[in-house]
Amino acid sequence: KQEVTQIPAALSVPEGENLVLNCSFTDSAIYNLQWFRQDPGKGLTSLLLIQSSQREQTSGRLNASLDKSSGRSTLYIAASQPGDSATYLCAVGGGSEKLVFGKGMKLTVNP
Amino acid sequence: DTGVSQDPRHKITKRGQNVTFRCDPISEHNRLYWYRQTLGQGPEFLTYFQNEAQLEKSRLLSDRFSAERPKGSFSTLEIQRTEQGDSAMYLCASTTRGGVGYGYTFGSGTRLTVV
Repeated sequence: KQEVTQIPAALSVPEGENLVLNCSFTDSAIYNLQWFRQDPGKGLTSLLLIQSSQREQTSGRLNASLDKSSGRSTLYIAASQPGDSATYLCAVGGGSEKLVFGKGMKLTVNP
Repeated sequence: DTGVSQDPRHKITKRGQNVTFRCDPISEHNRLYWYRQTLGQGPEFLTYFQNEAQLEKSRLLSDRFSAERPKGSFSTLEIQRTEQGDSAMYLCASTTRGGVGYGYTFGSGTRLTVV
C-alpha cells in the first residue's frame, strides 16, 4: 500500500528565503507525482506534474524534482513571498486511477 | 469558466438528514473522481467514473454514500442519514482520456458540516 509522507507538517519563514519542501513515498512504482497548493477552506490548485520518466519540472519560481528509486520528491520555491503562504500537498499516481496524498505542509511566509 | 465546478460551496445539515452534492467536470474530461478531506489530512479517494461507469469505489464509501454520473457529464454524491463523522470537504476532480497520468484538475470543494 502506497504511503506518502511530508515532513515537516508546518514551516514559517521570513520573506525572500528559498525553500525546499520534501515528499517521500514508499512504493517507487508510480506513474507520476503532482504538487498542489491549497488555500484555507479552498480546493486544490495544481502546481506541477512530474511523469515517472522525468526528473524535474519548472514553473516560474517553482521547481519540482523526482527521484523514483529513492522514493522522494522536492518542491523548491525561490524567493518566497507572503502570497506563497498556503498548504502544499504532494500526491502520487500509481497503478490505479487514484492519487495518494500526503497530509500536506502548511507554509507561512512572513513579511 | 472552464474549470471544475462544485455546488454548493458550503452545506450545514442536521444529523440524520440526506445531502446531495454536484460536480460539473471540465467538458472534455471523461474521467471524474470524488475525494474527501478532513481537517489536517490530505484528500482520500472515494470513487471514480469513466464516462458514466463507476469503475472503482473506496472502502470509505459506506452504504450511506452513493455517486452517479448520468450520461457521463455531471456527477452527484449523495450521503444518506448523515453522521457527524461525515463532516469534511468533498472534492471533485476530472482528467482527460489519458487518466491519472495527465494530472488532475480539482474543483473548489463542498464543505459539509453535520450538526
